[in-house]
Amino acid sequence: DAKTTQPTSMDCAEGRAANLPCNHSTISGNEYVYWYRQIHSQGPQYIIHGLKNNETNEMASLIITEDRKSSTLILPHATLRDTAVYYCIGGFGNEKLTFGTGTRLTIIP
Amino acid sequence: EAQVTQNPRYLITVTGKKLTVTCSQNMNHEYMSWYRQDPGLGLRQIYYSMNVEVTDKGDVPEGYKVSRKEKRNFPLILESPSPNQTSLYFCASSLNSWSSNTGELFFGEGSRLTVL
Repeated sequence: DAKTTQPTSMDCAEGRAANLPCNHSTISGNEYVYWYRQIHSQGPQYIIHGLKNNETNEMASLIITEDRKSSTLILPHATLRDTAVYYCIGGFGNEKLTFGTGTRLTIIP
Repeated sequence: EAQVTQNPRYLITVTGKKLTVTCSQNMNHEYMSWYRQDPGLGLRQIYYSMNVEVTDKGDVPEGYKVSRKEKRNFPLILESPSPNQTSLYFCASSLNSWSSNTGELFFGEGSRLTVL
C-alpha cells in the first residue's frame, strides 16, 4: 500500500505555477520526502527532497508543513515539458518502497 | 557518465522460458531495487537490496528471483515466465537508503517484457 496520498490528476496553464500536494501522514522523524516525475514510459526522474525545511533547486520548490504530514511541490513557471506523472514518496518506515499512481499533471497551452 | 543500465530493453518470450534482465550501475551505490509498472497500478517494488548478498522482497516478489553478488549488478530472474509478468520493468539504485538524505534514486531506461 502506498503511504502517500496525491490527487489523481491536475491541470495547469502554461507559464503559471503548478502546485502539487501530497499527504504523508505516516512519515517518521528522520525520513526524507522525495519527489520524482515520469514522462511517458521513461524511468522516473528525481526532482527534489527535504526533511523539515523548505527546499528549492533549479527545477522546483518543496514546501513541507511544520508537522511534516504533508508537502507541496511547486513548479514556478510550468512549461509543456512539465507534463508528466509526479510521485511523492515517504512514510514507509522501512526499506520497501512502492510509488503508487502519483498525480498526472497536464500543462495546458 | 553516472548511469543505470538495463538489458534487454525489449523482449518478447514464451511462457516457461527462463530469462534474466540485467541491471548494472556505475556509481558504487549500495541500494538497488526492481519495479514493475502496469497501467493504473503505478510502480510496484519487486525486490530490493541494501548491499552485496543482502536482498529482500518488495510488494510483488512472486515469480521473480534476484541476486546481488557484486555491488554494481542486480539481475532480475524469471525462472518460468507467465503472461501476467508482461510488464514494463525498471531497475533503480541509490547511494544509501531511499529515505535518507543521500537516497536519490537513479532509474534505468526500462525493459519492456512481453510473455506470450
